[in-house]
Amino acid sequence: AQKITQTQPGMFVQEKEAVTLDCTYDTSDPSYGLFWYKQPSSGEMIFLIYQGSYDQQNATEGRYSLNFQKARKSANLVISASQLGDSAMYFCAMREGRGDYKLSFGAGTTVTVRA
Amino acid sequence: DSGVTQTPKHLITATGQRVTLRCSPRSGDLSVYWYQQSLDQGLQFLIQYYNGEERAKGNILERFSAQQFPDLHSELNLSSLELGDSALYFCASSGARVDEQYFGPGTRLTVT
Repeated sequence: AQKITQTQPGMFVQEKEAVTLDCTYDTSDPSYGLFWYKQPSSGEMIFLIYQGSYDQQNATEGRYSLNFQKARKSANLVISASQLGDSAMYFCAMREGRGDYKLSFGAGTTVTVRA
Repeated sequence: DSGVTQTPKHLITATGQRVTLRCSPRSGDLSVYWYQQSLDQGLQFLIQYYNGEERAKGNILERFSAQQFPDLHSELNLSSLELGDSALYFCASSGARVDEQYFGPGTRLTVT
């Protein structure tokens, strides 16, 4: 079964507008963590934001915020005030348990910011 | 810059050959992870080492092997290469914190 599902293969957003990237996850482990990474066309994987399963508040990092809805098993990324440099592929990933910390990734969503 | 380094950046080789990819983790990080990113399989976890010992194994082929050395750098060895092994190989590292895993710039392997 797919652990991480990203249903939006590609999205367009106007510069300065906000965009929401969907991510749903599947786990029976009560302890897990959710990550978002950005992969620009140059190929590197850039860490954006993290949400732990026991965190009471939604994570925020600058223009990035994570809309964590535990009961729905969703962890959507919101990018506010989009910039041209935000054009990239975005990946949602999950770490389960407290042993090894390997990540399971979704298929990714391509975001294109229009001027 | 994540602090994780990988060499080489690009590698072009022929089928049947063997290559070694190298990774140096961030200073102080004991865990190293290897991931493969290909067009058909997406991003997949291959293997994790913690302080020199194998900690977890994912979808890693028997033709592939890895190790982590006493100085904590790691190498991923790929042998009997096939066209389908062409991919971007990432190394990532983490310390004791559960909320971090930083990726290197990747090695792009092309098998011709």
